[in-house]
Amino acid sequence: EAGVAQSPRYKIIEKRQSVAFWCNPISGHATLYWYQQILGQGPKLLIQFQNNGVVDDSQLPKDRFSAERLKGVDSTLKIQPAKLEDSAVYLCASSQQGSDGYTFGSGTRLTVV
Amino acid sequence: AQSVTQPDIHITVSEGASLELRCNYSYGATPYLFWYVQSPGQGLQLLLKYFSGDTLVQGIKGFEAEFKRSQSSFNLRKPSVHWSDAAEYFCAVTGGGNKLTFGTGTQLKVEL
Repeated sequence: EAGVAQSPRYKIIEKRQSVAFWCNPISGHATLYWYQQILGQGPKLLIQFQNNGVVDDSQLPKDRFSAERLKGVDSTLKIQPAKLEDSAVYLCASSQQGSDGYTFGSGTRLTVV
Repeated sequence: AQSVTQPDIHITVSEGASLELRCNYSYGATPYLFWYVQSPGQGLQLLLKYFSGDTLVQGIKGFEAEFKRSQSSFNLRKPSVHWSDAAEYFCAVTGGGNKLTFGTGTQLKVEL
């Protein structure tokens, strides 16, 4: 079974620029999550999709972050404009049922300078 | 609101020694509990999970964890640590179908 694919692996941008991350979940997994992991902290949920609908985006900074999951498969997370404090690893995860344990991708490490 | 506390930020053990990583959770109902491991530059790998039933859960790589409701704890253990176990370990809780809430992690260093 293929895992959760994420790209790019690394990204360095200047503050106020925009950036986008892509995630392809495990085939058949209806639920997709984006987490932000700042250095020295545990991952924090940004947004949860069930198929192509948003279940929870309460911790997504909507003034600069946006996410979509077209056709209930791939997902894109965008930051515009980026701030220094957005430097983090962005993890995508998917699951068939929320309680069964999630499969995480390797993440995208974003550095904002 | 659910929360997880991992009291130990860093732990150092000698190879071959036993290991226990502490995790305390806060959740109003029966929790679903997880332990994940993260190596540098890698994503999170599931070690084990507890949903119900036997409170002693066996996982991969020789790890086990015990759910103690009275202490709101889910500590991770391993009888004999290998150098390859050096990584960061995260405890997480969810109510089922909902978001995972993670602790801040424990960085494990193994001395040869």
